[in-house]
Amino acid sequence: AQSVSQHNHHVILSEAASLELGCNYSYGGTVNLFWYVQYPGQHLQLLLKYFSGDPLVKGIKGFEAEFIKSKFSFNLRKPSVQWSDTAEYFCAVTISNFGNEKLTFGTGTRLTIIP
Amino acid sequence: DGGITQSPKYLFRKEGQNVTLSCEQNLNHDAMYWYRQDPGQGLRLIYYSQIVNDFQKGDIAEGYSVSREKKESFPLTVTSAQKNPTAFYLCASSRELGYTEAFFGQGTRLTVV
Repeated sequence: AQSVSQHNHHVILSEAASLELGCNYSYGGTVNLFWYVQYPGQHLQLLLKYFSGDPLVKGIKGFEAEFIKSKFSFNLRKPSVQWSDTAEYFCAVTISNFGNEKLTFGTGTRLTIIP
Repeated sequence: DGGITQSPKYLFRKEGQNVTLSCEQNLNHDAMYWYRQDPGQGLRLIYYSQIVNDFQKGDIAEGYSVSREKKESFPLTVTSAQKNPTAFYLCASSRELGYTEAFFGQGTRLTVV
């Protein structure tokens, strides 16, 4: 069964620091990869997604993620964080395989930005 | 406004009672999902539905049941067999299963006392 690991449970950064959140998945075949964000009191919403093509994916609010197939990773990055980036971030994966496309989430990383 | 509506936002029930959580979408999406969110455990899939009158168990289906009689609606029943029902429940939908962005509702916080 596919699984997703996010090893950083809580990250605390100062404003303007650079961010990298780790995400690894366990399936060796073709995958679709997502990062979702949950701002305090708001809906979970899509930050960015990778289906195919350029492994460097750009999302909203200056976020990007790089798919490295050999490392089974899809890490989220942002060069300079802002206080408004305080939120919980979830990596998710679906497998491109008929009958097994369920969306599986990691345990999430809570990001706190200190002004 | 298109979106997903979950009701109620907060729900309290006595132990041993079944309770049904509502989820409605007007996005014309085929696929719908129910997740449970617990601190430190992320989102765990309870049930999902690819199309009307079809649904599949997710990773933690025991103690839950669903129906999908209409495209717009995917209610979740938390039965008395669910050993630890107090949690935050999220409903989502996507245009099709797995390949497209999922849109989420605001969630229902269920407390069983």
